[in-house]
Amino acid sequence: AQRVTQPEKLLSVFKGAPVELKCNYSYSGSPELFWYVQYSRQRLQLLLRHISRESIKGFTADLNKGETSFHLKKPFAQEEDSAMYYCALGDDKIIFGKGTRLHILP
Amino acid sequence: SAVISQKPSRDICQRGTSLTIQCQVDSQVTMMFWYRQQPGQSLTLIATANQGSEATYESGFVIDKFPISRPNLTFSTLTVSNMSPEDSSIYLCSVQRTGIYEQYFGPGTRLTVT
Repeated sequence: AQRVTQPEKLLSVFKGAPVELKCNYSYSGSPELFWYVQYSRQRLQLLLRHISRESIKGFTADLNKGETSFHLKKPFAQEEDSAMYYCALGDDKIIFGKGTRLHILP
Repeated sequence: SAVISQKPSRDICQRGTSLTIQCQVDSQVTMMFWYRQQPGQSLTLIATANQGSEATYESGFVIDKFPISRPNLTFSTLTVSNMSPEDSSIYLCSVQRTGIYEQYFGPGTRLTVT
């Protein structure tokens, strides 16, 4: 069955430190994977998708099929990165993970 | 992209009553979805709103409790029926274009049931 797992509910990181939000998936086939972000009092929005291989707001995510992972990374955390992050897998509909709240400490 | 609006943005309702939430998109989209996001929780998909046919409900959600309409490709409604305090949540509408897995979300409707 298709599944997205985000093992951390909350991740606290000091400003300037590296960030890694973990995501593992279960899918039989070639997945389409995404990261969505929800800043405080804003709507949920797409951050990046693995197909585009782009870096958005300094974040990158690499699809590792061997480890079935799609971890989100940023080398230097900024305070404005504090938000809720959802990993998602695209099938006939999108399957969201439970989310990780990232809290950047000053 | 797509611009999505929801009405109302928030409401406080008494138990036993019903509330209808509207979702309007600025362009025609094939797929529309309704989610629930309870405080501090992740998104839970309620149903897929199908244009011209009955909605497809996820496990744990039934049509009698959450009737959905989709009269055209730009509009949908979700009704929360016979509400109880457990229905207090944020209800989100989202849209997705065929063959593209990116979803766009509305601002949400914050419902409080007293």
